[in-house]
Amino acid sequence: GDSVTQMEGPVTLSEEAFLTINCTYTATGYPSLFWYVQYPGEGLQLLLKATKADDKGSNKGFEATYRKETTSFHLEKGSVQVSDSAVYFCALSDRGGSNYKLTFGKGTLLTVNP
Amino acid sequence: DTGVSQDPRHKITKRGQNVTFRCDPISEHNRLYWYRQTLGQGPEFLTYFQNEAQLEKSRLLSDRFSAERPKGSFSTLEIQRTEQGDSAMYLCASSLASSGSYNEQFFGPGTRLTVL
Repeated sequence: GDSVTQMEGPVTLSEEAFLTINCTYTATGYPSLFWYVQYPGEGLQLLLKATKADDKGSNKGFEATYRKETTSFHLEKGSVQVSDSAVYFCALSDRGGSNYKLTFGKGTLLTVNP
Repeated sequence: DTGVSQDPRHKITKRGQNVTFRCDPISEHNRLYWYRQTLGQGPEFLTYFQNEAQLEKSRLLSDRFSAERPKGSFSTLEIQRTEQGDSAMYLCASSLASSGSYNEQFFGPGTRLTVL
């Protein structure tokens, strides 16, 4: 079945540091890929997405590129802020089916210190 | 802004009791999903509805779980004879699905269930 493996946390960075959170996936079909973010006390929010190979999703300074050859979708940000502290989830949706359910990784807790 | 709402936000119950959660999706959304999230894990798919029809159920959804979406609007998730292993955050999401394309799932804040 489909699965997502993402970098174990927690990750602790200083403000303005470079962020990478690794994500790899296994899918039987040709999935769409997503990063969701969960801020403390809030629901999951879509951060960015990519629907085909070599697509780059970007939002709020975060970027991730859909790499079909390495089955990866690593999240990056050049300069993190304290407000980026949250849990980040990599997810996929297999478009081969019709339900578009999401398969999530375990999440990576990011803490950014001033 | 009327996003996805869930009620209650927290529920504490004793083992063996029944509980029911409610989800109100974004009003024009025709798809509704339930997920379960345990501590340190990502959300796991439980079931989904297209309008009022329940089209798929995960193997995680035992016979003690039942979900409904009467009239294709709000949905309820009931757990009968709760067990301590049912303790988790139950998340609802909705989307407006159109043929051949992905539509963003919008998540509610979740209902945190604690079974004592």
